Amino acid sequence: EIVLTQSPGTLSLSPGERATLSCRASQTISSSYLAWYQQKSGQAPSLLIYGTSTRATGIPDRFSGSGSGTDFTLTISRLEPEDFAVYYCQQYGSSFTFGPGTKVDIK
Amino acid sequence: QPQLQESGPGLVKPSETLSLICTVSGDSISSSSYYWGWIRQPPGKGLEWIGSIYYSGTTYNNPSLNRRVTISVDTAKNQFSLRLTSVTAADTALYYCARGSIVGASTIREIYYFDYWGQGVLVTVSS
Repeated sequence: EIVLTQSPGTLSLSPGERATLSCRASQTISSSYLAWYQQKSGQAPSLLIYGTSTRATGIPDRFSGSGSGTDFTLTISRLEPEDFAVYYCQQYGSSFTFGPGTKVDIK
Repeated sequence: QPQLQESGPGLVKPSETLSLICTVSGDSISSSSYYWGWIRQPPGKGLEWIGSIYYSGTTYNNPSLNRRVTISVDTAKNQFSLRLTSVTAADTALYYCARGSIVGASTIREIYYFDYWGQGVLVTVSS
């Protein structure tokens, strides 16, 4: 099973700042089958990014994904008030596993 | 865009069977482009994939839950369902259904990511 580790566990930032979230896999993720989800309090997760770097429908371009192999990054270029949430990475190339999440909260 | 809605009992006794249904609207469960999956989230914790099904009935389950999980599909009703047997308190969670969009295939299975999710239903295991 591919284990995903996310860092940091919590990221405290102010609106307008840049957020950089890391996701590291225990094995190479084939063909960059890596997705990112956003989960706001009391809501279901929603897809942000798939295939490492492709934004899902309706996702603003301040969200970007990058990486390959075992190291992946989600970047939010300028945080908007609605971006404060928990973010999960997920690999779907070898079964399905999720990372433990990074909480982005307001500083 | 599709809408997915989970339904089922919110309380299940230990050792009994948890049964949930996901009703899909705005999309056909019989589409060859999608798998349909179940994911759960214990309160305050992370996400765990339970299993997935194709409209043909092909299933693919989490090995850690496989012996307790049955996922089935009813194309006439545009629904798919989850049965989890011999539940314990550790099965208390928010249960989500989701659509998996197929983007490729490996030697073992199709490759898909979950793009639309239901709002989730909380199932508590308690006597």
